[in-house]
Amino acid sequence: SQTIHQWPATLVQPVGSPLSLECTVEGTSNPNLYWYRQAAGRGLQLLFYSVGIGQISSEVPQNLSASRPQDRQFILSSKKLLLSDSGFYLCAWSTGGAGTDTQYFGPGTRLTVL
Amino acid sequence: AQTVTQSQPEMSVQEAETVTLSCTYDTSENNYYLFWYKQPPSRQMILVIRQEAYKQQNATENRFSVNFQKAAKSFSLKISDSQLGDTAMYFCAANSQGGSEKLVFGKGTKLTVNP
Repeated sequence: SQTIHQWPATLVQPVGSPLSLECTVEGTSNPNLYWYRQAAGRGLQLLFYSVGIGQISSEVPQNLSASRPQDRQFILSSKKLLLSDSGFYLCAWSTGGAGTDTQYFGPGTRLTVL
Repeated sequence: AQTVTQSQPEMSVQEAETVTLSCTYDTSENNYYLFWYKQPPSRQMILVIRQEAYKQQNATENRFSVNFQKAAKSFSLKISDSQLGDTAMYFCAANSQGGSEKLVFGKGTKLTVNP
């Protein structure tokens, strides 16, 4: 069976510090991978998605970036965090290729920028 | 572009009763999927049920069922025999086949099941 991991679970960072959130998927190959952000009391906003190693598409221009160094690893980064980067970050995967559908989510990372 | 609208920010129901959450969507796609996700206080997003648009039969998963009205672009979720563990945020979402299958979410409905 497939599982998705995210770490850390909780993170408190000062403004201007760097960020690295990691997501890994087990039990599947060549998945589509996604990063979402959920601000307090709001819905999910798609930040990045990837259909393969080194292939990243950005949905929202901002000071965040994403990378996919390995097939089942997806990293969300920032060089300098802003207060507005606080939120709940969710990674998701779906079966790669045409005709894919359901996305399955990880447990999330709660980021607080002070 | 797809849009998903959930018009009920909050709802409550008594334990063991039935509740229906509303969702409407707009899409120009012919083939698409619709989903309901549940987000309990732990905040992990959990798939509740999904519906393939080309299937006329409404999807069911135990106590959860949908009323899919394709012409009206409506996709409501019915929870029967509500349980305290059903207390959560519920998000309706839509995507389309082909490409990256990006999901578009509604803003959510906060459901509280009262004892």
